[in-house]
Amino acid sequence: EAGVAQSPRYKIIEKRQSVAFWCNPISGHATLYWYQQILGQGPKLLIQFQNNGVVDDSQLPKDRFSAERLKGVDSTLKIQPAKLEDSAVYLCASSPLQGLAGVRAKNIQYFGAGTRLSVL
Amino acid sequence: DAKTTQPPSMDCAEGRAANLPCNHSTISGNEYVYWYRQIHSQGPQYIIHGLKNNETNEMASLIITEDRKSSTLILPHATLRDTAVYYCIVRVTNSGYALNFGKGTSLLVTP
Repeated sequence: EAGVAQSPRYKIIEKRQSVAFWCNPISGHATLYWYQQILGQGPKLLIQFQNNGVVDDSQLPKDRFSAERLKGVDSTLKIQPAKLEDSAVYLCASSPLQGLAGVRAKNIQYFGAGTRLSVL
Repeated sequence: DAKTTQPPSMDCAEGRAANLPCNHSTISGNEYVYWYRQIHSQGPQYIIHGLKNNETNEMASLIITEDRKSSTLILPHATLRDTAVYYCIVRVTNSGYALNFGKGTSLLVTP
């Protein structure tokens, strides 16, 4: 089966510019996550969607970051305006619908390759 | 989710077993131990998970101590492709919430 697709793979922008990342989760996966990974650290959740509703956005810097998941499939993450400290890898992950007994028992998240953002 | 402690780095010779430890002394009765790894320039990848019994799959084995306060991920015959950062995560299995990654263990497999 196809994995989680992300684009672009790399992006270089200047501070105060805007940038958008795109994610296409595995077909049929209801839950979608965006993580931020700063160099040398583990990934940190930015926002989580269940279908097209937000489950957790408590760590999303809402003054500059926004995300949407129209129709409960693809998702975009936007930064406007970017700061130097936003330089990181942005990872998208998906997992199957919660509540399905066999699938819930594993609760595995599948990650894309990420988008590496450099803010100059 | 319970906090985990892992060594920051380990080395292993190619072909030998790699044993990666994880301490999770505050684990609760309904929390599972999950292992993910992240190869350079890739997203994290699920390896294995378990509750209290030892588990084995095509990638690795997971040994959980009887008191469940620590575990060991075993890669039986490490290859150069196993060089990666390995994350031990403790969580309730039916939680749909995000994974709480620490800094993990950077495993270097050498020829």
